[in-house]
Amino acid sequence: DAKTTQPNSMESNEEEPVHLPCNHSTISGTDYIHWYRQLPSQGPEYVIHGLTSNVNNRMASLAIAEDRKSSTLILHRATLRDAAVYYCILTNAGKSTFGDGTTLTVKP
Amino acid sequence: DAGVIQSPRHEVTEMGQEVTLRCKPISGHDYLFWYRQTMMRGLELLIYFNNNVPIDDSGMPEDRFSAKMPNASFSTLKIQPSEPRDSAVYFCASGWGGKYTFGSGTRLTVV
Repeated sequence: DAKTTQPNSMESNEEEPVHLPCNHSTISGTDYIHWYRQLPSQGPEYVIHGLTSNVNNRMASLAIAEDRKSSTLILHRATLRDAAVYYCILTNAGKSTFGDGTTLTVKP
Repeated sequence: DAGVIQSPRHEVTEMGQEVTLRCKPISGHDYLFWYRQTMMRGLELLIYFNNNVPIDDSGMPEDRFSAKMPNASFSTLKIQPSEPRDSAVYFCASGWGGKYTFGSGTRLTVV
């Protein structure tokens, strides 16, 4: 399975943008890039996903490198409720493997 | 939409007992996943189904674990016999088109 690499932790100030990086150098042409987040004592929550083009939704934006070997999740204005573990995963025909994720701390 | 419903929320059982975890996916979702989460190993995919058919069970740790999906609205994960190292939070997720919704999980403690 293709793997992803993320920083263990990141910090942000409230109401500032946050860029969460993810490397996936062994991605295959049919792998989708997904981002999920997990708040304490909850199951993971879908954030966004894409294949090749940048994607936007009400929660975040996903910027995908041209060679698809890396991507960045962008939270435009971090709030205290965005503090969570963020997972970048690759999915192919349904199968996906979660890594350790990035723990995002948001400071007021 | 009630989301993915898992039961029970908490389960405490003695070593050697049979444990059955239940999941009701969101109607219309054609994929169903079972994950296990521990501090040591993080989130692990155990098995997933597509249209009620098991597609990949390579993550099931051993023969003590079994999963079924008799219809589109119900799935079970059974552990028999249970062992203390099976203690974890077990998540069920369903989805389609690449977007998956997770349940709240079942926290299993085997003593």
